[in-house]
Amino acid sequence: ETGVTQSPTHLIKTRGQQVTLRCSSQSGHNTVSWYQQALGQGPQFIFQYYREEENGRGNFPPRFSGLQFPNYSSELNVNALELDDSALYLCASSLGLVETQYFGPGTRLLVL
Amino acid sequence: AQKITQTQPGMFVQEKEAVTLDCTYDTSDPSYGLFWYKQPSSGEMIFLIYQGSYDQQNATEGRYSLNFQKARKSANLVISASQLGDSAMYFCAMREGLGNTPLVFGKGTRLSVIA
Repeated sequence: ETGVTQSPTHLIKTRGQQVTLRCSSQSGHNTVSWYQQALGQGPQFIFQYYREEENGRGNFPPRFSGLQFPNYSSELNVNALELDDSALYLCASSLGLVETQYFGPGTRLLVL
Repeated sequence: AQKITQTQPGMFVQEKEAVTLDCTYDTSDPSYGLFWYKQPSSGEMIFLIYQGSYDQQNATEGRYSLNFQKARKSANLVISASQLGDSAMYFCAMREGLGNTPLVFGKGTRLSVIA
């Protein structure tokens, strides 16, 4: 059984650019959640997708957007990057909305 | 107010000894779930153990156990027989309610196991 995978592992962007991060959920999992983890902090919830629909959003501006595809993989898009967007972005998948979330290895984004 | 508080920024433990990582939580919802995750330097969050608010017994998973004290709103993680590979960040997290709510994490505790 394949676990949660994320790509790329590392990324360097400059302020104002746009970025797309990708996540493949664990086999059979229909729910994907995205988190941002700043250095020295715990993960902060960005949003969740369930069966291709956004199903809950944290306190993040609209320039953070996402998609979920029919195979339940997901993308996180961030427009107009800011220096404070530098963080580890974690994707987690689960069997359903209230099941235990299993995390991928994350994407480290550095904004210069 | 912080929903999840982990008061120990760092902990040291001798190999083969037991260690307790503290977690207190704040919620007025009678239904909630508590989780512990391990995050090695590689970054991946590894699920360790889960405790539901209505569970009568403390959760255990191998060398991990959760010391759940509902009245004190604490959910401490106990790791028995520490191993060098246990060195990592440990995060306590909570999900409130029975429906779909996000995980809320504490700031974590860095555990270092000494040979």
